[in-house]
Amino acid sequence: NAGVTQTPKFRILKIGQSMTLQCTQDMNHNYMYWYRQDPGMGLKLIYYSVGAGITDKGEVPNGYNVSRSTTEDFPLRLELAAPSQTSVYFCASSSGGNTEAFFGQGTRLTVV
Amino acid sequence: KNQVEQSPQSLIILEGKNCTLQCNYTVSPFSNLRWYKQDTGRGPVSLTIMTFSENTKSNGRYTATLDADTKQSSLHITASQLSDSASYICVVSVPNAGNMLTFGGGTRLMVKP
Repeated sequence: NAGVTQTPKFRILKIGQSMTLQCTQDMNHNYMYWYRQDPGMGLKLIYYSVGAGITDKGEVPNGYNVSRSTTEDFPLRLELAAPSQTSVYFCASSSGGNTEAFFGQGTRLTVV
Repeated sequence: KNQVEQSPQSLIILEGKNCTLQCNYTVSPFSNLRWYKQDTGRGPVSLTIMTFSENTKSNGRYTATLDADTKQSSLHITASQLSDSASYICVVSVPNAGNMLTFGGGTRLMVKP
């Protein structure tokens, strides 16, 4: 049972480049989330989705875009990478309500 | 101001000892309060989930308490092991915004032999 899978694990981008962080889950969860975690800080919500075709902004959405064409996949797109986007990115999924949220292993992104 | 504050920021204890981590939150209303364990370089893993009507919940050597009146929670770790070395994160779930999780900054625990 794979759970939540994120790729890549590590990436170095140059300023202005773009990339897509991939996230897929095999638990048939409706809710999916993207968080970023800066050193010594709590996770901040970037975007979330409550089901296929539905996405919404979280606390820190600027500079990012998402799509949810299927229940399983929730990719996060960075269009013009900036040094401020250097962080560890976590994808998560849940059934909602009081159920457990499952996290991926994270993607460590460095923008230079 | 962060809506979920944790203390202490870091803690060092000897193997076999007990410890208690604190969480104060201002998020209201909330659906549930969670404690997660995050090993270095890994994603958070759920330890406990408590609704506002629950006072305590245990998961092995981990016991979480919740006082919804004072908006405080604690995580007690009994008979600590070296593998308990990790960050422990208090998380409050709000009923709107897709059950958005609001994370505290975490307590970094180091258990020494």
